[in-house]
Amino acid sequence: GAVVSQHPSWVICKSGTSVKIECRSLDFQATTMFWYRQFPKQSLMLMATSNEGSKATYEQGVEKDKFLINHASLTLSTLTVTSAHPEDSSFYICSARDGGNYGYTFGSGTRLTVV
Amino acid sequence: DAKTTQPPSMDCAEGRAANLPCNHSTISGNEYVYWYRQIHSQGPQYIIHGLKNNETNEMASLIITEDRKSSTLILPHATLRDTAVYYCIVRFFTGANSKLTFGKGITLSVRP
Repeated sequence: GAVVSQHPSWVICKSGTSVKIECRSLDFQATTMFWYRQFPKQSLMLMATSNEGSKATYEQGVEKDKFLINHASLTLSTLTVTSAHPEDSSFYICSARDGGNYGYTFGSGTRLTVV
Repeated sequence: DAKTTQPPSMDCAEGRAANLPCNHSTISGNEYVYWYRQIHSQGPQYIIHGLKNNETNEMASLIITEDRKSSTLILPHATLRDTAVYYCIVRFFTGANSKLTFGKGITLSVRP
């Protein structure tokens, strides 16, 4: 079946530094990927839609200069959290549309802790 | 996309069927019902989807009422590994750019 690989699975960084999270579709091409954020005991909140070869579309309230998204190929999208602060600590999850079963395949998530 | 309503939690005994309800009274004619689940600290997993006919796959069955205002996800023989948050999502099947919006979901606890 369709597989989306997300890396790293967890990361700890110092406040003020930047962190890059990768999302790869392993066995299918994804012109569009999605980035979500999930705080403890809460549901997933969509942050942005990543489009291959064009600018990402951000949801209302999400700072595009803080959460940089690059979708340079049909199998890779990256999310960079710039100048991270403790409040950015969260579980970040990517997904891509799987053309096979019309569902969306999700990565395993990245646990970001900013200290 | 239409809004869905799910009870916050339910439990069932291992080996028994788990019936997870979802209300989507404002669903429109060409909106699909999707179910995903999220096991703790993992990404969501696709379970099943349907439009108006009942659907079954190796994981579960989806029963949609005739008026399409509600549906039930059935896990026929629940195991401890089925403990998770289950999300019922209604959306148009309109192409790759369509986004999934998650509600609060229902927490299923399977007890030994």
